[in-house]
Amino acid sequence: QVQLQESGPGLVKPSQTLSLTCTVSGGSISSGSYYWSWIRQPAGKGLEWIGRIYTSGSTNYNPSLKSRGSISIDTSKNHFSLNLTSVTAADTAVYYCATEGGNSCLDYWGQGTLVTVSS
Amino acid sequence: DIQMTQSPSSLSASVGDRVTITCRASQSISSYLNWYQQTPGKAPKVLIYDASSLQSGVPSRFSGSGSGTDFTLTISSLQPEDFATYYCQQTYSTPWTFGQGTKVEIK
Repeated sequence: QVQLQESGPGLVKPSQTLSLTCTVSGGSISSGSYYWSWIRQPAGKGLEWIGRIYTSGSTNYNPSLKSRGSISIDTSKNHFSLNLTSVTAADTAVYYCATEGGNSCLDYWGQGTLVTVSS
Repeated sequence: DIQMTQSPSSLSASVGDRVTITCRASQSISSYLNWYQQTPGKAPKVLIYDASSLQSGVPSRFSGSGSGTDFTLTISSLQPEDFATYYCQQTYSTPWTFGQGTKVEIK
């Protein structure tokens, strides 16, 4: 069974870049027909889909990010990453990584990591 | 973007009750609708995919129905572990979007 674990700084200053990594275990990130996705959730609020990357490297992003987000994949390290540039307090949230399998649902999730944007 | 609207936003129910949550899409999404359950401090867990298919390992008291713009999640007999927040999600067109959530609380 695939397991996911987010990692990265818990505190980022405004205008800087938020960088998170999701390490995959229990399977190879380059095998199978999976999308590797990022979702976030501000405290006490709902879920926002950030974007996804396919094993081939093709990506989809939420336009609400206004081109600030990028997702990459590193098959040698079995992980994928999120970079979000020019962050503001509005980017403070719990960030989740997840897999999207053949059923187009987010079937495996990491535990989430809280990122706070503050000076 | 496709807007997803859930109702109600919250509800109070007792163990054993039948609970129904509704999700409406701003345009037709065929059956590309998933339901998730989230408990405090935990990641969401998929319950139903493709509007009515039960995810492996999910109790059969959960069921989903609908197509087009109107969808329903039903819990046939509410159990203590079902008190949580439920989200619908459309995967008809990117960006994937979620409903605002329905919090199921203990009466």
